[in-house]
Formats: sequence, structure tokens, C-alpha cells
Amino acid sequence: EVQLLESGGGLVQPGGSLRLSCVASGFTFNNYAMNWVRQAPGKGLEWVSGITGSGGSTFYANSVKGRFTISRDNPKTTLYLQMNSLRAEDTAVYYCAKDPSVLNFRFDLWGRGTLVTVSS
Amino acid sequence: DIQLTQSPSFLSASVGDRVTITCRASQGISSYLAWYQQKPGKAPKLLIYSASTLQSGVPSRFSGSGSGTEFTLTITNLQPEDFATYYCQQLNIYPPAFGQGTRLEIK
Repeated sequence: EVQLLESGGGLVQPGGSLRLSCVASGFTFNNYAMNWVRQAPGKGLEWVSGITGSGGSTFYANSVKGRFTISRDNPKTTLYLQMNSLRAEDTAVYYCAKDPSVLNFRFDLWGRGTLVTVSS
Repeated sequence: DIQLTQSPSFLSASVGDRVTITCRASQGISSYLAWYQQKPGKAPKLLIYSASTLQSGVPSRFSGSGSGTEFTLTITNLQPEDFATYYCQQLNIYPPAFGQGTRLEIK
């Protein structure tokens, strides 16, 4: 079955760190770019970061640049998002999302999401 | 950055109705627009890409049109499972951006 499964969310204090993981199955992981998209409670969708299939190129929204790092381990078919210096406004459900080919920022497969809450 | 404005933000309709949602971009994006459906507590689902191409498995009652700065998503013969929130997304100019969403509810 083609699917994405996120994990690693939780409650963290402002200024803290968290690493999200997304395990992919059912498709040839290294052939596809991957992204993280988030959704604050009751709000709309916001693209966070993207990475090419090889992992050689990464892209970030201005709101997270310098604080978040996207990476991938292709043999483990896993996507990561290292989140540092977390702020209250980073509170959201974080989805990993597959690109249908190279990084064109279209999202044809989504995980169920993992909730990150930044609060003291 | 490109801004996408959806209208209306809220829409009430009945089963069997035809509804149209509009997405306007702050600058031209050719046909690089996608539409997603999201149900409460669930992940978004890709419906349409390249403004008018139906994603595999999506019912033909969904259709999209437009180019440049104005786009529409039309749903004909509304079904109970179509009541959800719909988002447009531009992927022409970095960074990718979503509209604020249109919530479609049962009248």
C-alpha cells in the first residue's frame, strides 16, 4: 500500500527542538521529491519545506528558514524535519507530502499528520 | 510572494447542487494551479492539477478551469461526501502558496 506515516510530534517549550519523521512505503522513495506542509489549529495550509529525490537540494519557507532542516534517508525511505528554536506560532499539524516527480511543489500523497504544540 | 484569494470563504449547498469556487492570484501563474479537498481531521487530497487535469481516481463531477490570475473549481451534482474544505494552491512561482480555503457545508 502506498502510504506516508509521520511521527515525532508532541509538546515542546518555546526555544526547544523536535525532530519529525515520515516513513514512506509502496513506492520508490528516492525517485520523488518530498515536502512538509503544516496547518495551525483551525487555519489553512502552509508549505514549510521541500527536498529533491537525491536530497541534494532543499527549500524552505521564510518563516522557518535558519531554524528548520529537512533531510532524507533514502535506504530507510524516511523523510525528516529537524525543528530548532521553536516558537508558539510553529504549533500545527505537520504533514509530509509526496511530489509526483521532481520538486514542482504539487502534493499527490499525504500522510495523516503529526501534531506539534509549542507552549510553556 | 504570490497571494491567492478564494471566494467565497463559506458556501452552503444541498445534495445535487452545482457549486463554483473561485481562486484569484495576485499575479499571473499560467496554469500552475492545484485544488485540494480536506475533510475534518484528515489530510488534504489532491483533486485537480494544472488548473484542469483531474487527479487519478477523482470523480468526474469535479472540474477546474482558468489560467493567468483567475481559476474556478466546479462540483456538479453534489454528493454527501463532497462537503469539506477546498484549497487552491499555486506552484508556478516560488514559494508555493495556498488560498485561505472555502468551507462547503450542507444546507
